[in-house]
Amino acid sequence: AQSVAQPEDQVNVAEGNPLTVKCTYSVSGNPYLFWYVQYPNRGLQFLLKYITGDNLVKGSYGFEAEFNKSQTSFHLKKPSALVSDSALYFCAVRDKGGNNRLAFGKGNQVVVIP
Amino acid sequence: GAGVSQSPSNKVTEKGKDVELRCDPISGHTALYWYRQRLGQGLEFLIYFQGNSAPDKSGLPSDRFSAERTGESVSTLTIQRTQQEDSAVYLCASTMVPNYGYTFGSGTRLTVV
Repeated sequence: AQSVAQPEDQVNVAEGNPLTVKCTYSVSGNPYLFWYVQYPNRGLQFLLKYITGDNLVKGSYGFEAEFNKSQTSFHLKKPSALVSDSALYFCAVRDKGGNNRLAFGKGNQVVVIP
Repeated sequence: GAGVSQSPSNKVTEKGKDVELRCDPISGHTALYWYRQRLGQGLEFLIYFQGNSAPDKSGLPSDRFSAERTGESVSTLTIQRTQQEDSAVYLCASTMVPNYGYTFGSGTRLTVV
């Protein structure tokens, strides 16, 4: 079964500094990978996905993520964090050849300090 | 509709009562998912619908939980004899094709007192 690990509970970063949220995954076949963001009392919003092709994926709000097959990672990055980026971030994976279930990590709370 | 709609947005119920949570997916989205998010925890998969059938309901935590979908549209998640540990946000998501990003509703916050 597919699974995701987000090793850090909380990521603190100063406004204007680079932001990285780490994610590693485990699937039996080739992965579909996703990042979602959740603001307080809101549902999850899609940020970006990797399906195939270029390992560097660009998404909404200036975020990007790099698929690294050898390290089974899909870290989320933003060159310059904004206070408004403070939210809960979820990484998710689905096995291309498996069932249709999307497995989520436990989430990372990002706090951008003004 | 324009997005995934869930109702009610908040529900407070007494222990032992039954509750029904509703999800209206985006029109044309054949796949529908239910997830549970407990306070401070990640998303826990509950059940997946393709059309009106549920090929994967392995995430339902007990036989008190059931779900159905009709008309390849609306889905209802029913929790019977609610317990305090059922308190969580219940999220619904839909997608046209599973390898696309899922669209989530805003969730139903269930509190069992």
